[in-house]
Formats: sequence, structure tokens, C-alpha cells
Amino acid sequence: QVQLVESGGGLVKPGGSLRLSCATSGFTFSDYYMTWIRQTPGKGLEWVSYISGNSRNIYYADSVKGRFTLSRDNAKNSVYLQMNSLRAEDTAVYYCARGGVVTLHYMDVWGKGTTVTVTS
Amino acid sequence: EIVMTQSPATLSVSPGERATLSCWASQSVSSNLAWYQHKPGQAPRLLIYSASTRATGIPARFSGSGSGTEFTLTISSLQSEDFAVYYCQQYNYWYTFGQGTKLEIK
Repeated sequence: QVQLVESGGGLVKPGGSLRLSCATSGFTFSDYYMTWIRQTPGKGLEWVSYISGNSRNIYYADSVKGRFTLSRDNAKNSVYLQMNSLRAEDTAVYYCARGGVVTLHYMDVWGKGTTVTVTS
Repeated sequence: EIVMTQSPATLSVSPGERATLSCWASQSVSSNLAWYQHKPGQAPRLLIYSASTRATGIPARFSGSGSGTEFTLTISSLQSEDFAVYYCQQYNYWYTFGQGTKLEIK
């Protein structure tokens, strides 16, 4: 069955970096848009970034633009979120999710999430 | 940014009863709306997309309605496994979520 498994979360100081990974299985990965969504106690669910199947289309929320970089490796069926210049407000559970083939639209499969805590 | 507002924040319902959850958009999102169920420690689960289409494997007791700015998720006869947090999400212009409705056992 379709599975998404996030990893890479942890505790980091403000200004630090983390790289999140999302390993997938059970579907033709290269066909699908992939996205990251985060959940914070204060702001609820927030879309972070998405990437098209061929990596030609990559978009970011304004809150992370210039600090986060999304990429994918279709040979490894994985997507990666490089997070730099982390701030306290980036503290959240980060979910990887699958979008559509033509566009992102809704997210039909999600992972269980990985927790990122930014604190001094 | 399109703001999604859900009501109520918490809904207490007895098993076997009907639950009605509401979601409003700050501007029209057409029918580009999805509903998700989320239980602690689990992956969120897609229930409804295009406002009223059940996702694969979702029981018929879940139904969605609405278009434009007003949407409803109805669970016709609550089962024990339905108690969770429910989120709406618009994908008409970028992607924004409501703050969630916690459905709890009465």
C-alpha cells in the first residue's frame, strides 16, 4: 500500500539547519506532486512547500521562502526539505503528503510526521 | 490569503447520532475543498475532496456538501472510530486549512 515515512526531525538552535526526508513506497513516485505541511499549536495546519513530479515546479509559503529548499530524488522515491536559518516559529510537526499528478490540489496520503523543535 | 473558519471548535456527540461540521471560506473557493480526519499520532486521512466526493475507502456515513464559501461535513451515525479532529482545506488559491473541529464523545 501507499506509504510515506518522514524522518530527520529533532532539536535545533535558532539559526540552525535540519534536513527532513520523506521516503515513499507503493506508487509511481515520479508521477506525483509532493508537499510538506506543518502543524503548530498556534497556527494549526500550514502548507509549506510543494514540488512537481519532474521538479520543474517548486513553490514555497512566504513564511519559509528563502530559508527552506525542497527537492526530490525520483530514483530513491524520496523528497527532502532542507531547512536553514530556523526560527522558533518553525517549531512544528512536519508532514509529508502526496498531491495529484497534474497539480497539487488536495493531499490524498500523508505520513505520520516528524517533529522539529527550534529552541535555544 | 483565503481564511478558512471552522465551527464549532469542539462538538460533543453521542455514538450513533449525527454530527454536522461547518467550514467557511473568506472568499469563494468554488468546490475546491477537502476534509481530513486526524487522530493523535496518526497520519491525517483524506475524507472528502471536491467538496462532496468521498475518497477511496471512506464509509458512506461521511458526506460533504456546499460550494463557494459555505461547506458542511456530515457524519450520519457516529462510530467510536470517528472521534477525532476534522480539518477543511481549500485548494482554489494556494492551500489553507481551517483551525479544526474536535469531535468528542458525549
